[in-house]
Amino acid sequence: AQSVAQPEDQVNVAEGNPLTVKCTYSVSGNPYLFWYVQYPNRGLQFLLKYITGDNLVKGSYGFEAEFNKSQTSFHLKKPSALVSDSALYFCAVKRGYSTLTFGKGTMLLVSP
Amino acid sequence: NAGVTQTPKFQVLKTGQSMTLQCAQDMNHNSMYWYRQDPGMGLRLIYYSASEGTTDKGEVPNGYNVSRLNKREFSLRLESAAPSQTSVYFCASSPRDGTYEQYFGPGTRLTVT
Repeated sequence: AQSVAQPEDQVNVAEGNPLTVKCTYSVSGNPYLFWYVQYPNRGLQFLLKYITGDNLVKGSYGFEAEFNKSQTSFHLKKPSALVSDSALYFCAVKRGYSTLTFGKGTMLLVSP
Repeated sequence: NAGVTQTPKFQVLKTGQSMTLQCAQDMNHNSMYWYRQDPGMGLRLIYYSASEGTTDKGEVPNGYNVSRLNKREFSLRLESAAPSQTSVYFCASSPRDGTYEQYFGPGTRLTVT
């Protein structure tokens, strides 16, 4: 079985400060890891993914994530938060041709 | 390209009524998915179609049926709606299964009274 944990329901950060949204996973074998963002009343949008190779993955809107195999983590980061980054963020995991398992989501609130 | 489209955007049903949620994609993707989103529970897979002509159950298939009408369209049917099916439903597609990301539609907000 595979699973994802997003330990924080909500993350608050001031605009201009760095942000981190945490994600840990459990899967047997090599994971494929994804981050998606959901703005209010919209569908999910793909941000970035880790499949293999470099542990630091860069994605859309200045976001990046670091794959850490020993800690089974894939935290989402951004050096300088914007108010427009406020949204619901989902981490997801799969292995091979299994289906995608999503975490429960973390609400990011960036204050001006 | 419109991407993934879903109809309707909103729907209110009475318990026991039936309805079909429609989904279409214009990206020539092979794989399509139906999810439901409930507060605090993330997205849960209802059914998926890895390729045209195939469908498989996901995590929460009870009370639902699907049809992969052709490569573009993947519909979700509720035969006898229940209040527990009140949710936001998302359709998604990907080029094929494996390492590819999924592209999501705007969602259908369904309320069953």
